Amino acid sequence: QAVLTQPSSLSASPGASASLSCTLRSGINVGTYRIYWYQQRPGSPPQYLLRYRSDSDTHQGSGVPSRFSGSNDVSANVGILLISGLQSEDEADYYCAIWHSGAWVFGGGTKLTVL
Amino acid sequence: EINLVESGEGLIEPGGSLRLSCAASGFTFSNYEMNWVRQTPGKGLEWLSYISMGGGTIFYADSVKGRATISRDSAKSSVFLQLSSARGEDTAIYYCVRQARETGAFDAWGQGTMVSVSS
Repeated sequence: QAVLTQPSSLSASPGASASLSCTLRSGINVGTYRIYWYQQRPGSPPQYLLRYRSDSDTHQGSGVPSRFSGSNDVSANVGILLISGLQSEDEADYYCAIWHSGAWVFGGGTKLTVL
Repeated sequence: EINLVESGEGLIEPGGSLRLSCAASGFTFSNYEMNWVRQTPGKGLEWLSYISMGGGTIFYADSVKGRATISRDSAKSSVFLQLSSARGEDTAIYYCVRQARETGAFDAWGQGTMVSVSS
């Protein structure tokens, strides 16, 4: 079982909100990890969006709009990237990542389509 | 302006070694941890290696442990990755990535350099 699991794709309409999930493997508790989120537009390297562990332990990347936010669902062991007011430019691949057992681990990524 | 520019051999024969360089500019290199991340075209991100600000702490992904060597030269503001016994699965875009100590975030990425392992 992968350490981090992301749905491969998600579609949403312009102006709507999108909730991208990052499920941690059983035994790795979401509340104890800082989850990092990255956006990768086609043909470009990834860009850092934000980090979230709790409301008191969160960090927004420089220049990242506030409509990008993080949260988690402890009961489901899931980290969440919420994007509100979707814009066409938000169409991209989104990756979550954690530092686990001496290594950085990325999720497989979610391709967000805005249509 | 922050710049990370990767360079290295574009084509490597199986079993050969690849050496990647990353030249950093626009920030105080010695104040940042550095990483290498790769991406197979059309696929996801794979972290490869980390080196601390002073170079004294190094980590490798299991997939390259024993084959990879990361190093840095603060005088040249550069970080390097050497990967031996190259195989087809090493074909990927290799990114040099800056890590901020305060946040842990990969807050600056190079444009990447494509490496192909093929005979």
